Amino acid sequence: EPEVTQTPSHQVTQMGQEVILRCVPISNHLYFYWYRQILGQKVEFLVSFYNNEISEKSEIFDDQFSVERPDGSNFTLKIRSTKLEDSAMYFCATIWGQGSNTGELFFGEGSRLTVL
Amino acid sequence: AQSVAQPEDQVNVAEGNPLTVKCTYSVSGNPYLFWYVQYPNRGLQFLLKYITGDNLVKGSYGFEAEFNKSQTSFHLKKPSALVSDSALYFCAVRDGPNRDDKIIFGKGTRLHILP
Repeated sequence: EPEVTQTPSHQVTQMGQEVILRCVPISNHLYFYWYRQILGQKVEFLVSFYNNEISEKSEIFDDQFSVERPDGSNFTLKIRSTKLEDSAMYFCATIWGQGSNTGELFFGEGSRLTVL
Repeated sequence: AQSVAQPEDQVNVAEGNPLTVKCTYSVSGNPYLFWYVQYPNRGLQFLLKYITGDNLVKGSYGFEAEFNKSQTSFHLKKPSALVSDSALYFCAVRDGPNRDDKIIFGKGTRLHILP
């Protein structure tokens, strides 16, 4: 099973500060996604990313959010000015590029963001 | 848009008994359905999927799911529950026909297996 590593595992920040969450997939991952989960509840789609550009984004993914894959390896989610309601678990997910794969997502262990 | 519904917030089952976690779906076109499991403080783990073919799909950890087109359901089942099956279970649907279309999750069902 493909592995997806996320850092940091937990970050505490002050409201208004910038946060960068990182995702490091192994090779052959083509499609990248960020999801968030508030308090162990519903898993919400934020954004999808392919070929160095955003494929789709949800209404949650406003101007405070951005994604990039600057070095062809790390896939990052940046929140420019955090708000209290940004406190959540953020999950990176990928789709493996092998031909037999039919679109199941593989998730990292998540980054817990706490905004004070 | 595609969607899934999980009508139960929580399901309690005695160890050794069969378990069912319910999911219904609403799609336009062919359904691409998934089940994921989340253990405490962990990411989501893929259990199984229905893309096409047999209506009974077998997955990890002894789980299976039955696709029922007439009832638009995709219930998760296991013949004999283990305490270690206690977790949060998510039904999900792909939001389109392409492999890279985003996956939309239900609200989750918490499964408690009682020793």
